[in-house]
Amino acid sequence: AQSVTQLDSQVPVFEEAPVELRCNYSSSVSVYLFWYVQYPNQGLQLLLKYLSGSTLVKGINGFEAEFNKSQTSFHLRKPSVHISDTAEYFCAVSDQPNDYKLSFGAGTTVTVRA
Amino acid sequence: DVKVTQSSRYLVKRTGEKVFLECVQDMDHENMFWYRQDPGLGLRLIYFSYDVKMKEKGDIPEGYSVSREKKERFSLILESASTNQTSMYLCASSPPGLPGSEAFFGQGTRLTVV
Repeated sequence: AQSVTQLDSQVPVFEEAPVELRCNYSSSVSVYLFWYVQYPNQGLQLLLKYLSGSTLVKGINGFEAEFNKSQTSFHLRKPSVHISDTAEYFCAVSDQPNDYKLSFGAGTTVTVRA
Repeated sequence: DVKVTQSSRYLVKRTGEKVFLECVQDMDHENMFWYRQDPGLGLRLIYFSYDVKMKEKGDIPEGYSVSREKKERFSLILESASTNQTSMYLCASSPPGLPGSEAFFGQGTRLTVV
């Protein structure tokens, strides 16, 4: 199974500042990559995903992520955060192109302060 | 609006009880999943199902079983609840077809075993 490492467990950030959440995965074979967000007391919802093509992927709520195959990374960024971005963020990867299962990282809690 | 509904948000059960967690989706999805979410560990796959009456073990199936008698319903069963099964349980579904499809999550069931 894939191993997904989210390098930061907690990221405090001030409102309107940029944020970057780091994610590395273990395999160099073809994979699909995802970022999900979990707002307090809610389930997960998809922020964005990389399947193929352009390595820069844009998602909802102003988030974007860059796929780097040589570094096996898929870091998430937002240039200016809002209070409402306070949530837990999960990086996930599918093991194989024909595998529907996702392997998740441990999560990064983002706390946005005014 | 797509929906995955878990029957309970909070449950408290006694050690040794048989526990049923129910999940229903209204999107006619073939794939359904049960995950367990623990702080610092992210989401770990317990069981998944590609079709009615089909099930496959995930990464941590010990102490759990599942049932899928109808396409829209996927039940997780704790045969004899133990305190180390105290956790948040998340159900998800995804459509058939190309891998990389978005998974839709329920709001979760927080189970406490005392």
